[in-house]
Amino acid sequence: QVHLVESGGGVVQPGRSLRLSCAASGFTFSSYGMHWVRQAPGKGLEWVSLISFDGKYKYYPESVKGRFTISRDNSKNTLYLQMNSLRAEDTAVYYCAKDLDYLGIPGWLDPWGQGTLVTVSS
Amino acid sequence: EIVLTQSPATLSLSPGERATLSCRASQSVDTYLAWYQQKPGQAPRLLIYDTSNRATGIPVRFSGSGSGTDFTLTISSLEPEDFGVYYCQQRGNWPPIFTFGPGTTVDIK
Repeated sequence: QVHLVESGGGVVQPGRSLRLSCAASGFTFSSYGMHWVRQAPGKGLEWVSLISFDGKYKYYPESVKGRFTISRDNSKNTLYLQMNSLRAEDTAVYYCAKDLDYLGIPGWLDPWGQGTLVTVSS
Repeated sequence: EIVLTQSPATLSLSPGERATLSCRASQSVDTYLAWYQQKPGQAPRLLIYDTSNRATGIPVRFSGSGSGTDFTLTISSLEPEDFGVYYCQQRGNWPPIFTFGPGTTVDIK
């Protein structure tokens, strides 16, 4: 059974950094792309990043490009999100999710972890 | 950037009724569209991917259809546990950029 557990959230001041982790189990972690998605309080879902199975390819939306970095350690079955220059608008629950890898093309997120809350506030 | 819009914003139906949720893309996404369900305090759950494929463990009362810019999620006969918010999501061709719609809330009467 696939299990994803995020950690590392908390309260951080604007302009500071935070690193999130996602511990994966129940599947061959090194074979799947992984995503981060966030959800601001009371709002909808926003995709944050995708990393390929081998860590070679990384993709971001414009809203976080240059500030956030996704990475992975396949020897530890762990996904990371390094968040720098944090802003109030980055306040959200951050979810990690496994890519379904349907027909070898990234696109569908299944399953998701339970999320970790990041609050950016002075 | 492809923008997804969903309608209606809220749907209030009784158990046993049919629910029809719509998702429209600002430009064609081919069949690269998925649907997720999110209940309060929970993570989203994949229901349908690539327009019409049910994810593992998803009941047959959930079905998806459409192509290009117009897509539909149908719940054939609502169960009380089907309340929640439903999001559509598209995957861009290249680069792989993913966007979600604003969601449709399904209230069970």
